[in-house]
Order: sequence, then C-alpha cells, then structure tokens
Amino acid sequence: GAVVSQHPSWVICKSGTSVKIECRSLDFQATTMFWYRQFPKQSLMLMATSNEGSKATYEQGVEKDKFLINHASLTLSTLTVTSAHPEDSSFYICSARGGTESSPLHFGNGTRLTVT
Amino acid sequence: GQNIDQPTEMTATEGAIVQINCTYQTSGFNGLFWYQQHAGEAPTFLSYNVLDGLEEKGRFSSFLSRSKGYSYLLLKELQMKDSASYLCATMDSNYQLIWGAGTKLIIKP
Repeated sequence: GAVVSQHPSWVICKSGTSVKIECRSLDFQATTMFWYRQFPKQSLMLMATSNEGSKATYEQGVEKDKFLINHASLTLSTLTVTSAHPEDSSFYICSARGGTESSPLHFGNGTRLTVT
Repeated sequence: GQNIDQPTEMTATEGAIVQINCTYQTSGFNGLFWYQQHAGEAPTFLSYNVLDGLEEKGRFSSFLSRSKGYSYLLLKELQMKDSASYLCATMDSNYQLIWGAGTKLIIKP
C-alpha cells in the first residue's frame, strides 16, 4: 500500500519552456503533498507544501510564480516549472501523506529535469 | 534553532552490523523517521519512532531517546544492496519534517 506515482521520470526541455510534473497517490487519499528538490550529493530541500483545495505554502526563497503547484484533488498534485532555465535542472521529488499529520511520507520516484 | 546531525559517510563489510547515529534539536517533537535513498532514486520509508526504545523490523532496527535527542538505525547482516544513503528526519511541533543531510553507507565485500 501507500504508492505514490510521479510522472515523468525524466524530462529534457529547452530554456524558456515550461514543464509539468504530476504526482498521484494511487491507493490512499493524500491530504498533504510535498514537493522537494535535490541537487547531486545534497540533502532534500523542501520547496512547498500543498493541501488539497488550498494554495500551496512555499518555503523561503522558492518563487511561487515560477514553481506553480496545484493540488486539485486528494490524489493529484502537479508542479509546473515555468520558463525553465538551466539552473532549474535538478531532481524533483513529490511525497504524499495520508491519515494523520504524523503519518510517514511516501515518495514518488522523482523526476530528473534537465534544461538545455 | 533546528538541527539534525548524522555522519556524512560510513563504510562496513558485507554480513556485518552497522549503526548510523542521528542527533537532533527541534522545536517540538512529533517523531523521528529513517528513510533509505539509493543513488538517483527517491527515498523509501524505513521506520518511525515517537516513543523511547527500540523498534525492530527484520534486519533493520531503529532506536530513539527523546531525552538525549538521539536516534540510531541499526542494520544487521549487511548486504551489498544496503549501500545507499540513510536519511534521518524529525517532525517538529508543526508536523513539518526537518531532514538531515544523510549518511552514505558503503558496503564492501
């Protein structure tokens, strides 16, 4: 149980274009979803927290107009990287939490974004 | 402030036992998680401790001492596939996860 599906697994895009990443909880309802970014050999960096039906809460330093998050249902959240630049190249990972606030996070498989 | 410390890297031998320590200072405490992350992959959940003591789950065990702000992950009968990074994360009073930088575990034959 507690499977989180993230799509696509990898994407290459040109600078200036936008990329959408989907995160779905397959067998549970995710009241809260989290989006992380991880650069090589570095720790997970939380970008934003989203609760179904409400606006995402962004971490300090993360541009909300650049990283658009939509959490329209209890099983789907999307992250759109707008006007991508090479420095946005990274490993983006979503995670979802169902049940109570102390329930563990379950992670998607991540999306490796390369902006050329 | 909030802080989590764990060793950057450890090396162990196949078949042996290794203990990965984690110390923390957080604003409030709602539990401690351990995750495993293989290179290039997303983390997978290993354990959750909220009360003091040892939780055993197969070859992996996790220990917590809240008074000492200390946890460890114990891996027994090490296998080559256990080579990965092990992430310690605490949940603060707002139920936000605070992540450690991870411990890279290298298993040698």
